Amino acid sequence: QKEVEQDPGPLSVPEGAIVSLNCTYSNSAFQYFMWYRQYSRKGPELLMYTYSSGNKEDGRFTAQVDKSSKYISLFIRDSQPSDSATYLCACSNYKLTFGKGTLLTVNP
Amino acid sequence: EAQVTQNPRYLITVTGKKLTVTCSQNMNHEYMSWYRQDPGLGLRQIYYSMNVEVTDKGDVPEGYKVSRKEKRNFPLILESPSPNQTSLYFCASSLNGGNYGYTFGSGTRLTVV
Repeated sequence: QKEVEQDPGPLSVPEGAIVSLNCTYSNSAFQYFMWYRQYSRKGPELLMYTYSSGNKEDGRFTAQVDKSSKYISLFIRDSQPSDSATYLCACSNYKLTFGKGTLLTVNP
Repeated sequence: EAQVTQNPRYLITVTGKKLTVTCSQNMNHEYMSWYRQDPGLGLRQIYYSMNVEVTDKGDVPEGYKVSRKEKRNFPLILESPSPNQTSLYFCASSLNGGNYGYTFGSGTRLTVV
């Protein structure tokens, strides 16, 4: 079993939809959880960062971590075409481990 | 502007011809790392460095070398490239390991023929 599992999609939604992206992980030692966004032909950029369980909100983006079920989520409200990218979850216990990424397309 | 700079952005080379991909960061970060990204396999860590002259293997180190002689620079060396090293490579830096995330460069697309 991979340490961090992520559905690769692709996921296609209409503009304005609520998007839910999810990952599961197996290593209980992970304490730090991140979401990266990667546009085509660009490097990943850190989008959201969460320590331990709980929610974190930043504008249209909400990150959730449930350590009891080893499940992390990213919600995007009022999705925009500019949100079209690959989203990678990442977990860390000092060493950062990435999911494989989910390709999201938001259609105008 | 705080950034990680890699060069070149694109490189086509032949099997066995030594090459170096440069990486430099201007954020005074202690940690630097190299990743490769392949379809279906995601981002995999090649090597990382915790400080000057301190490096360690990541998940896929075979066929690669690194050095960290200065804090800001972390070059990736392929002494005898092979076609299975065709990939998209990213350099990244961090203030404190992976726990607070890495800042990534724009990537180097390497093709070995």
